[in-house]
Amino acid sequence: QVQLQQSGPGLVNPSQTLSLTCAISGGSVSSNNDAWNWIRQSPSRGLEWLGRTYYNSKWYSDYAASVKSRITISADTSKNQFSLQLNSVTPDDTAVYYCGRGWAIDYWGQGTLVTVSS
Amino acid sequence: DIQMTQSPSSLSASVGDRVTITCRASQGIGKSLAWYQQKPGKVPNLLIQAASTLQSGVPSRFSGSASATDFTLTISSLQPEDVATYYCQRYDDVPHTFGGGTKVEIK
Repeated sequence: QVQLQQSGPGLVNPSQTLSLTCAISGGSVSSNNDAWNWIRQSPSRGLEWLGRTYYNSKWYSDYAASVKSRITISADTSKNQFSLQLNSVTPDDTAVYYCGRGWAIDYWGQGTLVTVSS
Repeated sequence: DIQMTQSPSSLSASVGDRVTITCRASQGIGKSLAWYQQKPGKVPNLLIQAASTLQSGVPSRFSGSASATDFTLTISSLQPEDVATYYCQRYDDVPHTFGGGTKVEIK
């Protein structure tokens, strides 16, 4: 049974970097062809897929066009976790952020409400 | 990018009713379509993947089907515990776009 445990701050100042981590238990971040995703949800945007990373002989990452210039998703194999960094945030980035496993996402983190405000 | 259009955005039905939710892709995505259920204040839960494959533990009153770019989620007999918002998601290629959601309530 895969479990995903999210961690990171719930409040970020405008123009700063949002950083969240998703720790994996019961699975491996470097498992061939498992995808590790970040999704966010807000009343204005609904569910929005932000991007993913996955390992298939080497590491790959894909991002949504709406955040592509500001986002990095990376894996830390030593800690069996993956992370989201979103730069230059604005109040429009306020949302519940989820991590998730899979192409169809079968395991989800618990969600983190991130508020962008000074 | 391929758009995923869900309809209706909300519906109200009686217990025992058959409920149908549609998701239309703006281009072909094969069968790479997932359905999720999200109850208020909870994390989304995967119901169906590959358009029609029911996840383990999901009640058999839920089913999915596909016809070209049209996908359907059917609840054969609506139960009170099915009150939730339902989302479709494409995963054939990036971006893995979600539909706008369908809120299901009991009449």
